[in-house]
Amino acid sequence: ETGVTQSPTHLIKTRGQQVTLRCSSQSGHNTVSWYQQALGQGPQFIFQYYREEENGRGNFPPRFSGLQFPNYSSELNVNALELDDSALYLCASSLVGDSHSGELFFGEGSRLTVL
Amino acid sequence: SQKIEQNSEALNIQEGKTATLTCNYTNYSPAYLQWYRQDPGRGPVFLLLIRENEKEKRKERLKVTFDTTLKQSLFHITASQPADSATYLCALGTQTGANNLFFGTGTRLTVIP
Repeated sequence: ETGVTQSPTHLIKTRGQQVTLRCSSQSGHNTVSWYQQALGQGPQFIFQYYREEENGRGNFPPRFSGLQFPNYSSELNVNALELDDSALYLCASSLVGDSHSGELFFGEGSRLTVL
Repeated sequence: SQKIEQNSEALNIQEGKTATLTCNYTNYSPAYLQWYRQDPGRGPVFLLLIRENEKEKRKERLKVTFDTTLKQSLFHITASQPADSATYLCALGTQTGANNLFFGTGTRLTVIP
C-alpha cells in the first residue's frame, strides 16, 4: 500500500470525448506526476506538478492537461480522446527536496478504454 | 535516438536459482537508476535506487549493479521464489531533484516451483 489512490479504476469513453482522472497523493508528498502505460509497455511520463504548477512535461500534446490542488491531490484531463489514448494512467507522488531519491509511490492506476 | 532495453520480454527460472535481469540504455546520461516491480493490473512498486557514482546496491535478496561505461544495469534476485514472479521495470532519472523517469518496457519473470 502506497497511500496513493486513484479514481475511477476503469472507464470507457468514445473518441472525441473528454475524461478527468483523479489522484490523491500520499500524505506529506508535495509532488505528483502522471504516467501513461500502454499494454506491454513501460510507463511514459506525461507531466509533473509541484506546488500547484506544472514543472516538467513529457512528449504529450496540449490536450493532456492537469491540476494540482492545495491539498496535493491532482487531476489529469484529456480532451478530444483518440483510440491511442487507451492505456493505464498512473499517478505517482513523491517528495521533492530529497535530491538523491526520486522514489515514486504509484497508485493502482485508472484503466481507460477509448472506443 | 534514446532507448532503454531490457534483456527479454520474459524470463523463466527454477525456484531457488538466481534471476538476472538486464537494462541497457542509449543516449541517456542518468543521474540515477531505479528498479520497480509491477504485478498484473497494479501500479509499479519501488525496489531499489542506485546513483551514477555507485557500483552496487543490495537489499535483502536483491542486488543492483550500475556500469555507466557499459551503459548497463543488472538486477539480481537470489534464492528466487514463486512470489517473485512479476514484471520488473528499470527506470532512469536524468536530473537529481526532479522525478520524471524514463522506463524500459520491462521483463516478465516467472519463477517455476
